Amino acid sequence: DADVTQTPRNRITKTGKRIMLECSQTKGHDRMYWYRQDPGLGLRLIYYSFDVKDINKGEISDGYSVSRQAQAKFSLSLESAIPNQTALYFCATSDAGREAFFGQGTRLTVV
Amino acid sequence: GQQLNQSPQSMFIQEGEDVSMNCTSSSIFNTWLWYKQDPGEGPVLLIALYKAGELTSNGRLTAQFGITRKDSFLNISASIPSDVGIYFCAGQDPSGTYKYIFGTGTRLKVLA
Repeated sequence: DADVTQTPRNRITKTGKRIMLECSQTKGHDRMYWYRQDPGLGLRLIYYSFDVKDINKGEISDGYSVSRQAQAKFSLSLESAIPNQTALYFCATSDAGREAFFGQGTRLTVV
Repeated sequence: GQQLNQSPQSMFIQEGEDVSMNCTSSSIFNTWLWYKQDPGEGPVLLIALYKAGELTSNGRLTAQFGITRKDSFLNISASIPSDVGIYFCAGQDPSGTYKYIFGTGTRLKVLA
């Protein structure tokens, strides 16, 4: 089983719909992250959390919200999806000051 | 948003050749990471560097943490077809937030 699991792997949704992407980890890390990947732009940070009570905005948080339900679970929501949120979304985890480990990604298409 | 300058953006090489790519920043980092991403998959960690000047190998891969702490390079020796993919560098924000900042990637294509 993967250490960082994302669900769903693929999703097509309509403009204006609410959608949630989920991430769970078995690595025991405190820190969890959500990144967005667009072609040619690398990975950009949406939100990050250092523990269950700590949530921080990244560089592109507008239009997104997150919930850290437990140490092992971190979900990303799009309250009202729009087409320019079509992208690959990655969850990652890490220990403080150490390397990040990524999930396999969710390909989201907003039509 | 802040991103690292990674070069080259893409490269075609012959199988068996050595490959070199680098990453530079205007600010210092405490950690440099190198990842590889295959199509449709998440980035997989190749090498992690934690100390200025550190040189670390992982099989045919070698990476170095620049002395100025503002750059890092990755070398792949004797490339093979499965080296195809996108290689990303990442630096850890030293401001205490421990955020990771990523380069825009180097797309590698190996010609058999």
